[in-house]
Amino acid sequence: EVQLVDSGGGLVQPGGSLRLSCVASGFSFSSYLMTWVRQAPGKGLEWVANIKQDGGEKDYVDSVKGRFTISRDNAKNSLYLQINGLRVDDTAVYYCARGPTKGNGLDYWGQGTLVTVSS
Amino acid sequence: DIQVTQSPSSLSASVGDTVNITCRTSQTISNSLNWYQKKPGKAPQLLIYAASRLQSGLPSRFSGSGSGTDFALTISSLQPEDFATYYCQQGYSSPPYSFGQGTKLEIK
Repeated sequence: EVQLVDSGGGLVQPGGSLRLSCVASGFSFSSYLMTWVRQAPGKGLEWVANIKQDGGEKDYVDSVKGRFTISRDNAKNSLYLQINGLRVDDTAVYYCARGPTKGNGLDYWGQGTLVTVSS
Repeated sequence: DIQVTQSPSSLSASVGDTVNITCRTSQTISNSLNWYQKKPGKAPQLLIYAASRLQSGLPSRFSGSGSGTDFALTISSLQPEDFATYYCQQGYSSPPYSFGQGTKLEIK
């Protein structure tokens, strides 16, 4: 059974940092591109970043470039999102998701981890 | 970047009705369009990928259509568990793979 388990969220002050983690099981993690998506309270889904299978290519939405870093450790079946310079508008539930594979969408998701930025 | 415009933003319907949600992209994306269902407190669920392909294990009352810049999600014979928020997402070429604004489907 494919499972993604998100963790690492919490309450942090503006300007602070967090590292989110996503542990995968039930599939060949190193064979899949992986994605982070977030949803701010009362708002829609926002694509945040993705990383290719070998970690060599990473892409980000403009609003997080220079502050967020996506990474992965295929030996540990783990995906990460390092978030620095947190802003109030980064408050959201952050989800990791598998994919996209060619022509497919994001077919499995973690349960989400809540990041709250507040003073 | 490709912009995604979804409509309507909200929709009211009854059990047994058929509803349509549309999605338009700012440039042609072939069939690289996905649909998701999102319920409060739960992770999104992939419904339709590649514009019209039903994700495995899901009921056939969900269907997708379209190509190029105009797409639609149709839900036939609405069931109580279908009341949720629906999002389209474009997956064409290179990131960012933007989502539509969402459509909240409510019980009439």
